[in-house]
Amino acid sequence: DQQVKQNSPSLSVQEGRISILNCDYTNSMFDYFLWYKKYPAEGPTFLISISSIKDKNEDGRFTVFLNKSAKHLSLHIVPSQPGDSAVYFCAASGDGSSNTGKLIFGQGTTLQVKP
Amino acid sequence: DVKVTQSSRYLVKRTGEKVFLECVQDMDHENMFWYRQDPGLGLRLIYFSYDVKMKEKGDIPEGYSVSREKKERFSLILESASTNQTSMYLCALRRGPGGPQHFGDGTRLSIL
Repeated sequence: DQQVKQNSPSLSVQEGRISILNCDYTNSMFDYFLWYKKYPAEGPTFLISISSIKDKNEDGRFTVFLNKSAKHLSLHIVPSQPGDSAVYFCAASGDGSSNTGKLIFGQGTTLQVKP
Repeated sequence: DVKVTQSSRYLVKRTGEKVFLECVQDMDHENMFWYRQDPGLGLRLIYFSYDVKMKEKGDIPEGYSVSREKKERFSLILESASTNQTSMYLCALRRGPGGPQHFGDGTRLSIL
């Protein structure tokens, strides 16, 4: 039972254009969402997060949008650069009172930004 | 800056061997995690620990155990390695409540 889903295994965009990566979740208890970026042979690197009390969070070229009613979040990268080519994972957390920080990850989307 | 060190980047072992994967942090963070990453499946949680000698099963604990005798070290143990445990193994820690997890560079483990 996949609680966090990234339905697009891959995405290709032109340098300078917008990249939009999507993520859906099923558990309404999730209250914290994150995006990670992963290069081959390296560990995932934290990019940006959003709490369920917000619907948008921005950090430089990266913006995450959260639509709670649709149980959907997206990551926008503007403008896209070749160095953004990587696998992107979305993740969600919702431990409630235990607060262990346990994350549930999506399957990942491979982004290719073409020069 | 957060530093998570995994002892080996690449490891090749034989079926049936007992395998130890080590993860060390340089601070006093409590929550540590072990994941495996497989194509099309994302990252799946094997075990996590929220303090010394405290551990909880994740989503796929079968065939694995963990050890946390000191706060800075969290070990993943494959009791009797099998070929379906060939994977990328990632250790992570969380600095504090409400924060993200930070990952090591991973161990690419091959079981022959």
